Amino acid sequence: GENVEQHPSTLSVQEGDSAVIKCTYSDSASNYFPWYKQELGKRPQLIIDIRSNVGEKKDQRIAVTLNKTAKHFSLHITETQPEDSAVYFCAATGGFKTIFGAGTRLFVKA
Amino acid sequence: KAGVTQTPRYLIKTRGQQVTLSCSPISGHRSVSWYQQTPGQGLQFLFEYFSETQRNKGNFPGRFSGRQFSNSRSEMNVSTLELGDSALYLCASSLISGTGSSGANVLTFGAGSRLTVL
Repeated sequence: GENVEQHPSTLSVQEGDSAVIKCTYSDSASNYFPWYKQELGKRPQLIIDIRSNVGEKKDQRIAVTLNKTAKHFSLHITETQPEDSAVYFCAATGGFKTIFGAGTRLFVKA
Repeated sequence: KAGVTQTPRYLIKTRGQQVTLSCSPISGHRSVSWYQQTPGQGLQFLFEYFSETQRNKGNFPGRFSGRQFSNSRSEMNVSTLELGDSALYLCASSLISGTGSSGANVLTFGAGSRLTVL
C-alpha cells in the first residue's frame, strides 16, 4: 500500500542551527506534499506545502524541496528557535487521501 | 468562521463496547477525513468522505466504519472495542477544488476525540 517514510524520528539542534527532515513516498499518484506542525497537546497545523509541479518553496525561515523523480521531499528550518520545538509530519496527497509520515520530534535547545 | 468541531473530546470505554465519534467540518468544506493517532505511529488514515460517499479507505479492520450526512457532518464508529483502539481520533475537513486527484487538499484538523479502552 501507499507509504510515507520520514527521517529522523528525533532531532535535537542548538538554537540558531538548521534542521532538516526528509521524507520518501511510494505512491506515484501523489501530487501535493504538505507539512504539518503539532505542538504538545494541540492539533496538527499546516506550515508549508508544495505541489508536484514545483521543485522548491520558501516561506521565511522554512523551505521545502521536492524531487518527484526520486520521490523525495524535505523540510528545512533555518535559524531555529525554541518555539520551533514540536513534532513535524510530512504527508503526500493523491487519490482522495493524505498519507502521513510517522513524524519527527524536533528539540531546539536554547 | 468556526473551526472543525469534534465530540466527545474524551471518552472511556471497555473492551467489547462500541463507540461513535462525531465531526462537524468547517462551513463549506465537503470533504472529511479521519485519522488515528497513537504515540510512535503518527497519523494513520482511516477513511475520507465527500458528498456522503466514502472515496478512500485505509488499512483498518471492518470494525471501523464511518458515514457522512448531507450537511457534511461525519461520524465514525468502532465496534467490539479492543485495548489497541485506545488513541486520539482526529477529523480533518478540506475544501476540494477540481475533481480526481489533481486538486490540493489542505486539511484543517479538529482537536480530536481521545478514546481510552479499558
